[in-house]
Amino acid sequence: DAGITQSPRHKVTETGTPVTLRCHQTENHRYMYWYRQDPGHGLRLIHYSYGVKDTDKGEVSDGYSVSRSKTEDFLLTLESATSSQTSVYFCAISDTSGRAGAGELFFGEGSRLTVL
Amino acid sequence: GQQVMQIPQYQHVQEGEDFTTYCNSSTTLSNIQWYKQRPGGHPVFLIQLVKSGEVKKQKRLTFQFGEAKKNSSLHITATQTTDVGTYFCAGRGTSYGKLTFGQGTILTVHP
Repeated sequence: DAGITQSPRHKVTETGTPVTLRCHQTENHRYMYWYRQDPGHGLRLIHYSYGVKDTDKGEVSDGYSVSRSKTEDFLLTLESATSSQTSVYFCAISDTSGRAGAGELFFGEGSRLTVL
Repeated sequence: GQQVMQIPQYQHVQEGEDFTTYCNSSTTLSNIQWYKQRPGGHPVFLIQLVKSGEVKKQKRLTFQFGEAKKNSSLHITATQTTDVGTYFCAGRGTSYGKLTFGQGTILTVHP
């Protein structure tokens, strides 16, 4: 398995509180992604990064922000958590964009977030 | 934006029966990938298809990419209990952009 660590793995929080999820990789891959997984919706991209300090929005970015100050770390922040953000969050990495090489994603173990 | 639809959402089979999941994109794809997620686990890459009409096999799994590069399928022959999980397709647009995942097919295999 690729060296990807997500923390925390489980978190319960209350509506309106800030939450930060961390993704740490030891593979030195350029691309990092945050997805959320919900029943019936598959995996939806929240934000992604194509380099240090280079990030862009995915299809469900509202209410989320990200930061990448180092190659190995990609942080996902919920500034004010809402119940609709209860989900399983997966970090993923890849070494290419798909233009050169498969660009397959390697996923972390996931972080289960419950917002009460 | 690009949409990827996957059917069926659920499939229950008896062990030994075949299983197929289908993936359809609203736009032409540059490539398509397939992932498997075991219950409680994380998605794991299975394969990528790039060429129009491409067919690839991995033991009992057969993957196809449509001639128009807008659809794909995964077929499992003679399912086993180890095949249980959710199978996702993920399509990449022609600009080599982000992957868009289908909703996934949850496969249950009854022994």
